[in-house]
This record gives sequence, C-alpha cells and structure tokens, in this order.
Amino acid sequence: GAGVSQSPSNKVTEKGKDVELRCDPISGHTALYWYRQSLGQGLEFLIYFQGNSAPDKSGLPSDRFSAERTGGSVSTLTIQRTQQEDSAVYLCASSSTGGAGNQPQHFGDGTRLSIL
Amino acid sequence: AQKITQTQPGMFVQEKEAVTLDCTYDTSDPSYGLFWYKQPSSGEMIFLIYQGSYDQQNATEGRYSLNFQKARKSANLVISASQLGDSAMYFCAMRGFKAAVNKLTFGGGTRVLVKP
Repeated sequence: GAGVSQSPSNKVTEKGKDVELRCDPISGHTALYWYRQSLGQGLEFLIYFQGNSAPDKSGLPSDRFSAERTGGSVSTLTIQRTQQEDSAVYLCASSSTGGAGNQPQHFGDGTRLSIL
Repeated sequence: AQKITQTQPGMFVQEKEAVTLDCTYDTSDPSYGLFWYKQPSSGEMIFLIYQGSYDQQNATEGRYSLNFQKARKSANLVISASQLGDSAMYFCAMRGFKAAVNKLTFGGGTRVLVKP
C-alpha cells in the first residue's frame, strides 16, 4: 500500500495475556519507529529500527515489551503479560532514512489496545 | 535531553481566521529539526511542516507557516484562513541531529476547534 499499515486496528484482551501488534512500513523506507500514545497525551517513543543496525530500545518501558523487524520491512511489537497501564494507541512510523533529519516520519493509523 | 512545551491545551478559532499555536523547545543539540503534525479525531498523524534549525527562512506549506524564533527557542505554527477541517489535535515535535538520535520528542498537543 501507499502508507504505513498497522494491524489490528483495535485489540481488546485480558490482563496477563500476550499481544502482538504488526506494522508494515512504506515500501523502501529503511527507518521504522514505534510510539505509544496514552489517552489525551503526546506520543512516547518506544523503539527505532534502521536498516540492519541494532535497534534503539531506549524507550521500551519494561522487559515485557519487545520488537523485531524481519527482513528490514515488517515489524512486530510484542507485549507480554499485559497490564492495564499498557492500554494506549500504539503508533508505527517510517521514514526514508534515519540519518537525514529533515525527513518526516509517516505514521500509520495505530492500534488501539485495551486491557480489561 | 529534549523537551517540547505546548502551553495551549485547547483553543477556538472562527472559520476563515488565522490561528497561532505555540511551541517552545529545549535542547542541547546545536542542530535539530522541528516538525508539526495534525491528528484528527480519526487518529492518524499527518505531517504538516518542517523547520531546520539552520534554515535561513521560516518554513511555509500552503496555509501553514512556521514562526521560528531560534533565540527564543520557539516554533509557533500559524494556520491561515482556518477551515472546519482544521479541527484536530496539533503536535509540535523535535529531533536532535547529534549522536544520530532519531526519535521524535513530542509536546502534549493543542486541540483546535474551528467554529463556523
């Protein structure tokens, strides 16, 4: 597709379950980012992938959060043993390069995660 | 560390009038980029405009312009001739170029409601 694609668009799960969120970046974009947006708040950086380099995991809030990017394209964000405070919208973005500062990040529509 | 402050949680503007959204920032990076994004109620983040710290002129993009005052560390967004479709949350964000820090740091956002 033309833009960043995220799935599912909505996910409701019980506390303690594991969830996987998927992001398919814009074709040809080498940089991929995950952010989290809690209700009424700005975006919080989680993790960044650039090509084959080691990811920048500095924003992951706990070791229950992990992400991978296979083949330099699709990424999966996994949250293990979900807690109610994990409820948020998880946004994925991609950009054409990670090093050129003026390249905007293009966002997907997000996955709205609700933990019961 | 980088910080973005948006002091206006919400504001009304009359259709066809101009509105200025405030954004101040703090960073120790000598070079950086500033971005504005629009988030309608549907949730997607839409890139609007970019300003580089060393750009000589203020950025403009259609009805959007950026009032960049480097000494004051402010990057206010001006929307001219407001339209009903401009009703949305607006986020100011920045990215420092030093040490290849690639994440965007976001402000808390300003909600704009355009009145007919």
